[in-house]
Amino acid sequence: DIVLTQSPALAVSLGQRATISCKTNQNVDYYGNSYMHWYQQKPGQQPKLLIYLASNLASGIPARFSGRGSGTDFTLTIDPVEADDTATYYCQQSRNLLTFGSGTKLEIK
Amino acid sequence: QVKLLQSGAELVKPGASVKLSCKTSGFTFSTSYMSWLKQVPGPSIEWIGWIYAGDGGTNYNQKFKGKATLTVDKSSSTAYMDLSSLTSEDAAVYFCARTTPYYVMDAWGQGASVTVSS
Repeated sequence: DIVLTQSPALAVSLGQRATISCKTNQNVDYYGNSYMHWYQQKPGQQPKLLIYLASNLASGIPARFSGRGSGTDFTLTIDPVEADDTATYYCQQSRNLLTFGSGTKLEIK
Repeated sequence: QVKLLQSGAELVKPGASVKLSCKTSGFTFSTSYMSWLKQVPGPSIEWIGWIYAGDGGTNYNQKFKGKATLTVDKSSSTAYMDLSSLTSEDAAVYFCARTTPYYVMDAWGQGASVTVSS
């Protein structure tokens, strides 16, 4: 299985930039695409897709959210953060079946 | 718009089975892949498997083979997941999700809680 590692928590001041990382133990690139995706989950809700294939913004997601990376190192950036961004953020790979990171809980100070 | 409406919370006895449903609307179900996922607080989210609604073809996470069975009813645009021989390890929130090419979950049901208790 491909293992995805995320830091458990991050605290960022309102209006600043949040950078959430995800590292994999195997390369998730394949034929020019990075099979890495990002989701936001608020308490008591279902996850919501933010970014797919490492850097593509999902429909309806504000441009404050962006993703980058390739190979085994990926980041989700929120700039600037808003109070409503308080949530847990998960990365997910689909290069080899599907696995998720353990999530990064974002606190807005 | 795309909607996935899951059945309600379940309380089941150890050793029993449960069938969860996911009724969809707003997209062409018969040409879609539907995934099921398990979430337990702490250990994160696990992918159980997906089913292609067009022909019922499935792909399971090896961990859930024998535990979960995925089916669809194209006439009602509904996906189902049977969970068998339930133990305390199966207590979780289960989500259905529409799955795109590249295996991205771009729309999710609201989740269904399964509690296993005698």
